[in-house]
Amino acid sequence: SQTIHQWPATLVQPVGSPLSLECTVEGTSNPNLYWYRQAAGRGLQLLFYSIGIDQISSEVPQNLSASRPQDRQFILSSKKLLLSDSGFYLCAWRNTGNTEAFFGQGTRLTVV
Amino acid sequence: DQQVKQNSPSLSVQEGRISILNCDYTNSMFDYFLWYKKYPAEGPTFLISISSIKDKNEDGRFTVFLNKSAKHLSLHIVPSQPGDSAVYFCAARVNNAGNMLTFGGGTRLMVKP
Repeated sequence: SQTIHQWPATLVQPVGSPLSLECTVEGTSNPNLYWYRQAAGRGLQLLFYSIGIDQISSEVPQNLSASRPQDRQFILSSKKLLLSDSGFYLCAWRNTGNTEAFFGQGTRLTVV
Repeated sequence: DQQVKQNSPSLSVQEGRISILNCDYTNSMFDYFLWYKKYPAEGPTFLISISSIKDKNEDGRFTVFLNKSAKHLSLHIVPSQPGDSAVYFCAARVNNAGNMLTFGGGTRLMVKP
C-alpha cells in the first residue's frame, strides 16, 4: 500500500531563517506531487506541483521554492522566511490515472 | 479569482439529521469534483468524488450531487453523526498535465449530539 510521510509535524522558525520541509511517498512510482498551504481560517492553496524528477511548476509567486531530487521525494524550501509564511503546509501525491490526491499529515509552521 | 467557492464557513446540524454542504464553481473546464474531510492538525482525507458527466454519486451515508448548468455541487450526509464534525473542502480538477486540485475555502460542520 502507498503511504506518504511529511515532517516535521510542527516547526517554529525566526524571521529570516531558512526552511526545509520534506515529503516522501512509498509504495508507488512516478507519482504527481503537490505542496499546498492552508493559511489560518482559509482554504488550501496550491503552491507547487511536480509531474517528475526535477520538473517543478509554481502556481503562485512567493518566497518559497520546491525541488524533487528523487522520484518520491518532494522538498519545500525557503532561504529567508517571512512572517507571512506561517501556515499549515501539506504535501500530497496522486497516481496518474487516478482522480483523488492523498495528503500527508501536514506541517504547522510558525514564523516568529 | 476564486474558481471554487464554499459560501458557508460553518454549519451546525443535529445528530441524525441531514447535513448539506454546498460548493459553487466558475471554471467549466473542471472535469472532476471531490470532497475532502479535514480534522484539526491533520491532512485532508478523501471522501467522495463525481465526474462531470454524472449528476449523482453515492457512497454509504455520503452523496454528492452535481448541477452542471448551475455550476453547483453539494455533499449530503445522512444521517449525520458527531464524528462527522470536521472541516469539509470541495475541490475541482482540470484534466491537464498536473491534474491539480483547486480547493474551496472549506465549511466547518458541527454535528450536535
